[in-house]
Amino acid sequence: DADVTQTPRNRITKTGKRIMLECSQTKGHDRMYWYRQDPGLGLRLIYYSFDVKDINKGEISDGYSVSRQAQAKFSLSLESAIPNQTALYFCATSEPGQGSDTQYFGPGTRLTVL
Amino acid sequence: GDSVTQMEGPVTLSEEAFLTINCTYTATGYPSLFWYVQYPGEGLQLLLKATKADDKGSNKGFEATYRKETTSFHLEKGSVQVSDSAVYFCALSEWNTGNQFYFGTGTSLTVIP
Repeated sequence: DADVTQTPRNRITKTGKRIMLECSQTKGHDRMYWYRQDPGLGLRLIYYSFDVKDINKGEISDGYSVSRQAQAKFSLSLESAIPNQTALYFCATSEPGQGSDTQYFGPGTRLTVL
Repeated sequence: GDSVTQMEGPVTLSEEAFLTINCTYTATGYPSLFWYVQYPGEGLQLLLKATKADDKGSNKGFEATYRKETTSFHLEKGSVQVSDSAVYFCALSEWNTGNQFYFGTGTSLTVIP
């Protein structure tokens, strides 16, 4: 079984709808991240969480919110989806370690907002 | 702030050709450097990493050396295969910034038989 799973894998929705993307991990890592990937822009950090009680905004948090329900679960919500939020979304986890932190990615969720 | 710049693609090579994908970085301290690979329809996978200057990361025939003097971490492979076709991302992580990751924009590689 995959260590980092994301649901759904694909989603098509309409402008104005509320959408939740879910991420679960079995790696036992405290740190979890949400990124979006757009062609030519690479990966951009939306939110990250270093433990259950810690939530931090990333580079592009506007229009998104997150919830860290447990160590293993980190959800991303779009309160009112808009077309420019059409992208590939990745969840990732990591363990802290000075100079050696490595991120482990889920398979991604392809979101299309019409 | 921290950032990563990598060569733009797409790159198209014939099988068994030599590959170089350039990556340079800007960091305030002493980052760890990474190459991730994304195969079609999949998430990113760690390809290799180096945690200090002059370290060489290697995996699956790919290599990259952490060059502090030129702030570079170029990815190389002596003989590419069709199965190496993917998007390659250079990234850095720095203790000073809470181990946040900064990714380059990705370089798409296509290897033709």
